[in-house]
Amino acid sequence: SQQGEEDPQALSIQEGENATMNCSYKTSINNLQWYRQNSGRGLVHLILIRSNEREKHSGRLRVTLDTSKKSSSLLITASRAADTASYFCATGKPYSSASKIIFGSGTRLSIRP
Amino acid sequence: NAGVTQTPKFQVLKTGQSMTLQCAQDMNHNSMYWYRQDPGMGLRLIYYSASEGTTDKGEVPNGYNVSRLNKREFSLRLESAAPSQTSVYFCASSSGTGGQDTQYFGPGTRLTVL
Repeated sequence: SQQGEEDPQALSIQEGENATMNCSYKTSINNLQWYRQNSGRGLVHLILIRSNEREKHSGRLRVTLDTSKKSSSLLITASRAADTASYFCATGKPYSSASKIIFGSGTRLSIRP
Repeated sequence: NAGVTQTPKFQVLKTGQSMTLQCAQDMNHNSMYWYRQDPGMGLRLIYYSASEGTTDKGEVPNGYNVSRLNKREFSLRLESAAPSQTSVYFCASSSGTGGQDTQYFGPGTRLTVL
């Protein structure tokens, strides 16, 4: 069962432009994480935002969380060729030790030179 | 620090064969996980271990067994491989025991079952 769903499934932009990806989820969460996966590699953690936070920054990344709409967005500013990758959101449910974080199906981001 | 390492990187099996995927982490993490990733999909949890000596089923445990050999190592065994188990397998670890903190991933094992 997938808790988070990313939108769009694929995104192609020009180098230097900003990229925005969205994640929607269905039930209450403890936190939401974003991961990046380069082709053929394992996932790399980007940022974690807790349910009581609304916005978080890390370098060129900005994550927002709207718990009333059950959605999050990841903004990558001034994109670079190296940002080409798949991006996944992962949600952690509250009050559950048995249910670990659940990954969405990802957004494939391509940066055109 | 090597982080999370997995062996082998690639494997081809025939239906019915068995094999063990190995995973080790050198970050002194408590929790370890096994996921599978199928084309165009996110990761699905097979099994996890919140601490040495404990293991629990995830979303898709059928056809798999695991062993938490010690704090560093967590292996995944396919007793009788089936074509439906063709996938990329990722091992991950995290410092906490609650399963919702940052996870660190290995490079993956690409498994094909003929």
